Amino acid sequence: DAGITQSPRHKVTETGTPVTLRCHQTENHRYMYWYRQDPGHGLRLIHYSYGVKDTDKGEVSDGYSVSRSKTEDFLLTLESATSSQTSVYFCAISGGPQGTGELFFGEGSRLTVL
Amino acid sequence: QKEVEQNSGPLSVPEGAIASLNCTYSDRGSQSFFWYRQYSGKSPELIMFIYSNGDKEDGRFTAQLNKASQYVSLLIRDSQPSDSATYLCAVRGAGGTSYGKLTFGQGTILTVHP
Repeated sequence: DAGITQSPRHKVTETGTPVTLRCHQTENHRYMYWYRQDPGHGLRLIHYSYGVKDTDKGEVSDGYSVSRSKTEDFLLTLESATSSQTSVYFCAISGGPQGTGELFFGEGSRLTVL
Repeated sequence: QKEVEQNSGPLSVPEGAIASLNCTYSDRGSQSFFWYRQYSGKSPELIMFIYSNGDKEDGRFTAQLNKASQYVSLLIRDSQPSDSATYLCAVRGAGGTSYGKLTFGQGTILTVHP
């Protein structure tokens, strides 16, 4: 198994509160990603990082910010959570230098915004 | 128009049969194609990837790619009840900056009944 740990695994919060999800990897991979998964929409890319302090937006980045101060940690922040951000969030890393871009996923973080 | 399309199913096959899962994509410049399996409540796990036209076999799984038709499929031979899951097709677009930025279909639910 890829060494990817997400925390928290489950969280219930109220609308308007800030939330931070953490992704920690032990694989020393350069690329890290945050996806969300919703019924009817599949997996959609929120933000990704291609190195320390190097991040970029994905398909559904509005309402989210990210930070990567160390190779092993990639944080996803919801500044003011809304009910539309209720979802399952997956962190992923890409395969190594010889890979073709395949992703390996963490166990997911289930967020409920009331 | 969805970029990656899959029949959501459910696809039901008897144990021991061949399950055929299909996926079409809209970006003709797409470079790499991935199949993931996702059990209920779990994270997606990579089954295999393919990037050249033709067939690629790995155990009971065969991925087939036809770039001219923009079509990729996954065959599962000798299907087992443990193969019952959602199967996600993912596509990597053209260009170096697309590394790891996969676009996912909504997934096909497969049920293998004894």
